[in-house]
Amino acid sequence: GQNIDQPTEMTATEGAIVQINCTYQTSGFNGLFWYQQHAGEAPTFLSYNVLDGLEEKGRFSSFLSRSKGYSYLLLKELQMKDSASYLCAGMDSNYQLIWGAGTKLIIKP
Amino acid sequence: GAVVSQHPSWVICKSGTSVKIECRSLDFQATTMFWYRQFPKQSLMLMATSNEGSKATYEQGVEKDKFLINHASLTLSTLTVTSAHPEDSSFYICSTLKGQGITEAFFGQGTRLTVV
Repeated sequence: GQNIDQPTEMTATEGAIVQINCTYQTSGFNGLFWYQQHAGEAPTFLSYNVLDGLEEKGRFSSFLSRSKGYSYLLLKELQMKDSASYLCAGMDSNYQLIWGAGTKLIIKP
Repeated sequence: GAVVSQHPSWVICKSGTSVKIECRSLDFQATTMFWYRQFPKQSLMLMATSNEGSKATYEQGVEKDKFLINHASLTLSTLTVTSAHPEDSSFYICSTLKGQGITEAFFGQGTRLTVV
């Protein structure tokens, strides 16, 4: 079956770095997406990886290892506004997105 | 700017009534629209996939007679929650992929439904 696993909740300190891990199993693979979702709002796109390696975009970076079925989202210089849920989603061979349950990130001053 | 427009943003209705949620693609033709439901502190759960001009494909456990989906045009898909019950209270979100193949998903703003 298809499955996405990520931690339920993480806590970090303002100004620090946090890494949110995600492991995936999909029928075929067309890439791995990360989205940010603030409470009561729709998800917003953060990153997309389809090749192995690290993609850096400002304070956010995303890493993919296809052989390990593993990805992580790295957030640097954390700000209070980064408090949100982070959703990992794998795209299968039918271009369907398989969603993880989301990781709630709590930022403390 | 917004790529997908969804409304209403929130609605309160009485048990037994029906509620229609609309989702429009703003500057492109969306042949496929995904409808999700999200309960508090849970992930997005795919309810159904609507395709323009054909019947929607429902996920296992989702009642097609209760959640009516219509995708009559390339820019509009609707979800109607019929005979709503308090347990239908949830956050409903539509999403579409812009273009063919691998693209990011664009989401509507979501609809907070409360059934009293």
